Amino acid sequence: QKEVEQDPGPLSVPEGAIVSLNCTYSNSAFQYFMWYRQYSRKGPELLMYTYSSGNKEDGRFTAQVDKSSKYISLFIRDSQPSDSATYLCAMKRPGAGNMLTFGGGTRLMVKP
Amino acid sequence: GAGVSQSPSNKVTEKGKDVELRCDPISGHTALYWYRQSLGQGLEFLIYFQGNSAPDKSGLPSDRFSAERTGGSVSTLTIQRTQQEDSAVYLCASSLGTELEAFFGQGTRLTVV
Repeated sequence: QKEVEQDPGPLSVPEGAIVSLNCTYSNSAFQYFMWYRQYSRKGPELLMYTYSSGNKEDGRFTAQVDKSSKYISLFIRDSQPSDSATYLCAMKRPGAGNMLTFGGGTRLMVKP
Repeated sequence: GAGVSQSPSNKVTEKGKDVELRCDPISGHTALYWYRQSLGQGLEFLIYFQGNSAPDKSGLPSDRFSAERTGGSVSTLTIQRTQQEDSAVYLCASSLGTELEAFFGQGTRLTVV
């Protein structure tokens, strides 16, 4: 079993929809949680970074962490065609630098 | 440079040949990371450098894989006697410090035929 599980999708939504992307994990040592966006043939870029449990909002994006359930989410409001990409969750233990453990990624398609 | 630069962007090689992949990190970034992304898979950590030293090589899949970094800058990942299962996108990232945001390059797409 992988340490971080993520539904691969693809997830297809109409423009303007609210998107919910999720990951579950098994290692309770993970304290830092990230969401990356990866466009086709590009490297991942960091979208959201949260520490421990709670919510963090940045524009149309909200990251949510529930450590008790070992479950993290990324919500995208008013989704746009330009949001079409693969979204990767990643997490790490304290002191692990950028040795990140990634989920497999969810491919999102937002249709105009 | 403005971002992390990797070369070549694409590499097709015959099974059994050796390949070298290059990563040019953002200027001044002391930490450098190599990841591998296989089709439909997430990124798999391979190795990281702090300066020129590699404190953690645990992610390297086999002894056919090696990496070095010189001058605290450019890094090369070498795969000897390539196998078809080595086909993947190899991504490099760098960060100003080990606990700060890592920036990824566009990757080298390796195909072993």
